[in-house]
Amino acid sequence: DAGITQSPRYKITETGRQVTLMCHQTWSHSYMFWYRQDLGHGLRLIYYSAAADITDKGEVPDGYVVSRSKTENFPLTLESATRSQTSVYFCASSDPGQVHTEAFFGQGTRLTVV
Amino acid sequence: EDQVTQSPEALRLQEGESSSLNCSYTVSGLRGLFWYRQDPGKGPEFLFTLYSAGEEKEKERLKATLTKKESFLHITAPKPEDSATYLCAVQPGGSYIPTFGRGTSLIVHP
Repeated sequence: DAGITQSPRYKITETGRQVTLMCHQTWSHSYMFWYRQDLGHGLRLIYYSAAADITDKGEVPDGYVVSRSKTENFPLTLESATRSQTSVYFCASSDPGQVHTEAFFGQGTRLTVV
Repeated sequence: EDQVTQSPEALRLQEGESSSLNCSYTVSGLRGLFWYRQDPGKGPEFLFTLYSAGEEKEKERLKATLTKKESFLHITAPKPEDSATYLCAVQPGGSYIPTFGRGTSLIVHP
């Protein structure tokens, strides 16, 4: 299917465990983003990537690791999950090479850390 | 620092009662301002991009406008299916990274 897909949609994990959230896009967009959405905070940028092998920190990067070996994939890893990382995570992509530079979002992953 | 403030936080309307949502922003230059709609349990869905002051975009009952300091999302004769959270984001000049406001939760009662 064309678009941007996230997996899993729901995840429950224990404190201290490593967990990876997956993001895949079929448009070959150069930019990809990870946001977390929490009540009272809105969407906050965790990490972004301007191209394969190029990543940079956003507003709230602590406790997260990203990689981008292929243009279409941008996984987000929580190295040692904490309860404060319970949130809904959204992946997005955009293509600055186009006239329109809006970002398109996946359906989200709801992560609960117990 | 780029800032995006949306108001009100929540808005309840009766079906057919027109209103406006506000997005005020502070940004170094403006590459683009975006409006999104988000339904519960789903990702934000793109609605409009505005690039320069004076620009307007329309889609069904929605109309977005832009000035140098703020944007409005006007909702004309809303229906219950317009109930959602509406998000505003700005992309500063020289960057392709959008910064989001906290959104306005809209409920339209039949």
